[in-house]
Amino acid sequence: TQLLEQSPQFLSIQEGENLTVYCNSSSVFSSLQWYRQEPGEGPVLLVTVVTGGEVKKLKRLTFQFGDARKDSSLHITAAQPGDTGLYLCAGGNLNTGKLIFGQGTTLQVKP
Amino acid sequence: DARVTQTPRHKVTEMGQEVTMRCQPILGHNTVFWYRQTMMQGLELLAYFRNRAPLDDSGMPKDRFSAEMPDATLATLKIQPSEPRDSAVYFCASGFSGIGDTQYFGPGTRLTVL
Repeated sequence: TQLLEQSPQFLSIQEGENLTVYCNSSSVFSSLQWYRQEPGEGPVLLVTVVTGGEVKKLKRLTFQFGDARKDSSLHITAAQPGDTGLYLCAGGNLNTGKLIFGQGTTLQVKP
Repeated sequence: DARVTQTPRHKVTEMGQEVTMRCQPILGHNTVFWYRQTMMQGLELLAYFRNRAPLDDSGMPKDRFSAEMPDATLATLKIQPSEPRDSAVYFCASGFSGIGDTQYFGPGTRLTVL
């Protein structure tokens, strides 16, 4: 059974601080996706990484896929209150189209 | 702006009643997923369709849950009879398996079973 472990589960920081969220597995995935979910809404895709070692940047967010395609990290620079939400990583299987989701990291950025 | 739509957004019902949740996937997508989200379990995959055919419903309690796609524009998830432990947010997501595995989520149905 494929599992994805996210850490930390909860993070409360002050505006302007940096943070990193980790997503780890013993399984290899064809892709790793990061979603952000706000209260009362469905998860919204932030980024998809597909190549081992790949790094993608989205403004203040930096996403990295591990060389072995088993792990990923999300780094936020100078966090803002608008970054508050639930961050979910999901490992993809290109053959089936199914995603395995991590438990999520709840981020609170205080002004 | 293409979006997955779900109805109803909220549903409160009593134990034993039948509940039907509906999803309209994004036009052109050929995969549809049903998830359940709770604080304790996170996002759990319940059922998965490709080209309207059910491929995997191993995450779904078979005795009370059923999922169907009567046509390409409608997916349904039914619970009969409902139980308090079914209280959760149910999400539908759609995608296109031919170009990767990105899924687009609907806004969810918040179900409360009393």
